[in-house]
Amino acid sequence: RKEVEQDPGPFNVPEGATVAFNCTYSNSASQSFFWYRQDCRKEPKLLMSVYSSGNEDGRFTAQLNRASQYISLLIRDSKLSDSATYLCVVNMRSNTGKLIFGQGTTLQVKP
Amino acid sequence: EAQVTQNPRYLITVTGKKLTVTCSQNMNHEYMSWYRQDPGLGLRQIYYSMNVEVTDKGDVPEGYKVSRKEKRNFPLILESPSPNQTSLYFCASSFFRGGNSYNEQFFGPGTRLTVL
Repeated sequence: RKEVEQDPGPFNVPEGATVAFNCTYSNSASQSFFWYRQDCRKEPKLLMSVYSSGNEDGRFTAQLNRASQYISLLIRDSKLSDSATYLCVVNMRSNTGKLIFGQGTTLQVKP
Repeated sequence: EAQVTQNPRYLITVTGKKLTVTCSQNMNHEYMSWYRQDPGLGLRQIYYSMNVEVTDKGDVPEGYKVSRKEKRNFPLILESPSPNQTSLYFCASSFFRGGNSYNEQFFGPGTRLTVL
């Protein structure tokens, strides 16, 4: 079983739609959680951290469920510019700063 | 401008010909790391470094070497490249406070390597 699993998609949605991605992780000792965004053939960039209480940044909402070991990302009012691959990232409880990346979920927002 | 740079951006080479991919950051970050990205496998860590002269293996270190002689530079060396090392490579850096802390990792633009 992969340490971090995501549905690769693609998710094809119309502009204005609400879309949600889930990600599961296998190690209950995982410490920190993040969503990164990667545009085609470009470097990943941090979209948002995921806090235990859940957090929101504009149209983006992230949730963490430690008991079930999954995190989610909700995008409201999708824009064409949201088309990208979204990477679920987990930081293990260690002193190495190591990140474990999911393989990513691809989102295509259509006009 | 704060950034991570990698060179070259694209490289086609042949089996067995030693090559080095350079990585440099201007943010005074302690932590640097190399990843490879392959379809269906996501990003996998090759090597990382928590500071000058401190390096350690990631998940897929076989066939690679690194060095960290200066804080800003973290080159990736392929002594004898093979076709299974054809991949997209990313260098990343971040501050590191130790323990369980984490800071955002900044990635370089990537190096697309093809080994024939």
